[in-house]
Amino acid sequence: EADIYQTPRYLVIGTGKKITLECSQTMGHDKMYWYQQDPGMELHLIHYSYGVNSTEKGDLSSESTVSRIRTEHFPLTLESARPSHTSQYLCASSESGQESTDTQYFGPGTRLTVL
Amino acid sequence: AQTVTQSQPEMSVQEAETVTLSCTYDTSESDYYLFWYKQPPSRQMILVIRQEAYKQQNATENRFSVNFQKAAKSFSLKISDSQLGDAAMYFCAYRSPTGSSNTGKLIFGQGTTLQVKP
Repeated sequence: EADIYQTPRYLVIGTGKKITLECSQTMGHDKMYWYQQDPGMELHLIHYSYGVNSTEKGDLSSESTVSRIRTEHFPLTLESARPSHTSQYLCASSESGQESTDTQYFGPGTRLTVL
Repeated sequence: AQTVTQSQPEMSVQEAETVTLSCTYDTSESDYYLFWYKQPPSRQMILVIRQEAYKQQNATENRFSVNFQKAAKSFSLKISDSQLGDAAMYFCAYRSPTGSSNTGKLIFGQGTTLQVKP
């Protein structure tokens, strides 16, 4: 099991609220990722980071933003939640270097419902 | 752009029997990595098995093995002696090699839900 944590696990919130989804890993991995997954569907990359102060948008457009001030922490923020943001958000991390170790490990996910 | 296709939305297998999940992909890269991930209901996604494209030998992990056909761009997962705990959604994923513009990013298939019958 990988040491990667996400909080909260479940969140129900009203439209217009600002929310931050937390993701932390204790493995010292330099790369971190956020994926969005609708129920029973595939994962889509929305943000990634290759190190501190480095963030990039993923393949799926998202109104969320991320920051990477510390290696172990990669929070995702929605300034004004909308019902269309209802989904599951998965965080992952990996270690660059040797190709065989650059495998992504996933957190348990945050299931977000916006009313 | 790379794509991953899982054409079986749902599969079922009897406990103790063998099942094969299909995955095909499209890429112009010659060196890449392929993965199978397992996502049990309401639980954490975990890595099942990994295959490096430059290796001809098929990867195996206990009851899990792959049939990697590079020319056909096929990467199927075989689960032997299926157990109730194998019930989950299985995702096939592709990763470009380090140094490419897509370094580290995973591209996932649509997933296959596996039901294991007692």
